[in-house]
Amino acid sequence: GESVGLHLPTLSVQEGDNSIINCAYSNSASDYFIWYKQESGKGPQFIIDIRSNMDKRQGQRVTVLLNKTVKHLSLQIAATQPGDSAVYFCAETLNSGNTPLVFGKGTRLSVIA
Amino acid sequence: ETGVTQSPTHLIKTRGQQVTLRCSSQSGHNTVSWYQQALGQGPQFIFQYYREEENGRGNFPPRFSGLQFPNYSSELNVNALELDDSALYLCASSLTMSEKLFFGSGTQLSVL
Repeated sequence: GESVGLHLPTLSVQEGDNSIINCAYSNSASDYFIWYKQESGKGPQFIIDIRSNMDKRQGQRVTVLLNKTVKHLSLQIAATQPGDSAVYFCAETLNSGNTPLVFGKGTRLSVIA
Repeated sequence: ETGVTQSPTHLIKTRGQQVTLRCSSQSGHNTVSWYQQALGQGPQFIFQYYREEENGRGNFPPRFSGLQFPNYSSELNVNALELDDSALYLCASSLTMSEKLFFGSGTQLSVL
């Protein structure tokens, strides 16, 4: 079946720098995307979402970009902090079809103090 | 904190045994989804319950079954446990099937 994938399994950044986590999705029909953060010993935590009628959405220190032409999603974290160290997952779904969220394998972000 | 609680937090079973995992959904949410997360992998959808009915199922065998109760809490039952069932089992609640999910901290199941 189709699944969400990630370009980089690990990412190390210096504290204070910006982080960019990438994700490629394979289902061109997907119309709703979510980024989750998972810290050790915890369940995934919602960060930000975006629908396919948008190409950019901003939250607090985070921005999600969606490029439907190349089926690419990215999460940008500004001024990365040690507390941002975690595994980040992108997930996709066909919202209008009421289908479950499909998760990728994740990217581990390590923040170097 | 999401308000989704799961019990137990950790569990050790032996192959062939049966296990029941429990989940209380966030207040106001009538949809509960269960996911299996193997080490180093993303969560894999098992099934979802909406108003006490199964409302979608992933690629898991029938020995994975569930229930949802009138208060929207839920159980995941796994029969005839296999070694590969060792994983983190996550429960998530939501307002609808594919709206953003709010996850609990999971139950870590080890099958020996």
